[in-house]
Amino acid sequence: QKEVEQDPGPLSVPEGAIVSLNCTYSNSAFQYFMWYRQYSRKGPELLMYTYSSGNKEDGRFTAQVDKSSKYISLFIRDSQPSDSATYLCAMSAKAAGNKLTFGGGTRVLVKP
Amino acid sequence: NAGVMQNPRHLVRRRGQEARLRCSPMKGHSHVYWYRQLPEEGLKFMVYLQKENIIDESGMPKERFSAEFPKEGPSILRIQQVVRGDSAAYFCASSPGVSGEAFFGQGTRLTVV
Repeated sequence: QKEVEQDPGPLSVPEGAIVSLNCTYSNSAFQYFMWYRQYSRKGPELLMYTYSSGNKEDGRFTAQVDKSSKYISLFIRDSQPSDSATYLCAMSAKAAGNKLTFGGGTRVLVKP
Repeated sequence: NAGVMQNPRHLVRRRGQEARLRCSPMKGHSHVYWYRQLPEEGLKFMVYLQKENIIDESGMPKERFSAEFPKEGPSILRIQQVVRGDSAAYFCASSPGVSGEAFFGQGTRLTVV
C-alpha cells in the first residue's frame, strides 16, 4: 500500500463546474499538506499549503485537511480550461526533514 | 525574487557518460531537495541538503549518484556512468526550512541514449 493514495483520473468537467480532488494517507506523522499543479513538461507549482487540520481558502481554491480521517481535499470553483493540468497532493513531517511524499497525481480536464 | 533555477533544462547523455544537474534555490532559502519523476510515475524524494551538509540521502541510489550543496554556488546532482533507466525529469525544490513549504524549479529532463 502506498503511503499517499490519489485517484489518477482523468477527471473531466465542464467549464464553470467545481473540481473536487482528494488524497488519503497512512502516516499519522504528516503535519504539512500541500497541493501542487503541474502542467505538461513543467515543474510543480505550489497552489495551497496547510498546516495540520482545517480549511484554507485562496481565491477559487479551497483546501481541507482532516487528520483524524487522514484525508485531504482540494476544491476548485468556477473551473476554467486553463485549470486543465495534473494536480499533486504532497505532505511532510518536520521530524523527517520536511521531505515531501507525493500522491500519484490526478489529471484534470476542464472542457470549454 | 527569482524562483528556483535549474539548468540545463534538457540534457542528453550517452550511456556511460556523466550528467551534472544544477539548482540555485530561491533567495533566502537554505534547504534544497532533489526529486525524480520517471515517465508515468510520481515524484520521488532523492536527497535533502543544507549548505555544505547532506541531511537525508535515503532516496538516492547507492551507486553512481551523488549530491552536494557547497557554501558558494548552486546545488549539484551528479550521475556517473548513466544508464537508460536514469532517463527522467529531475526536479529541485527549495524551502526556507521553518515551514513545510517547498517551491520547485522547472526541472532538468535527462535523456540517456
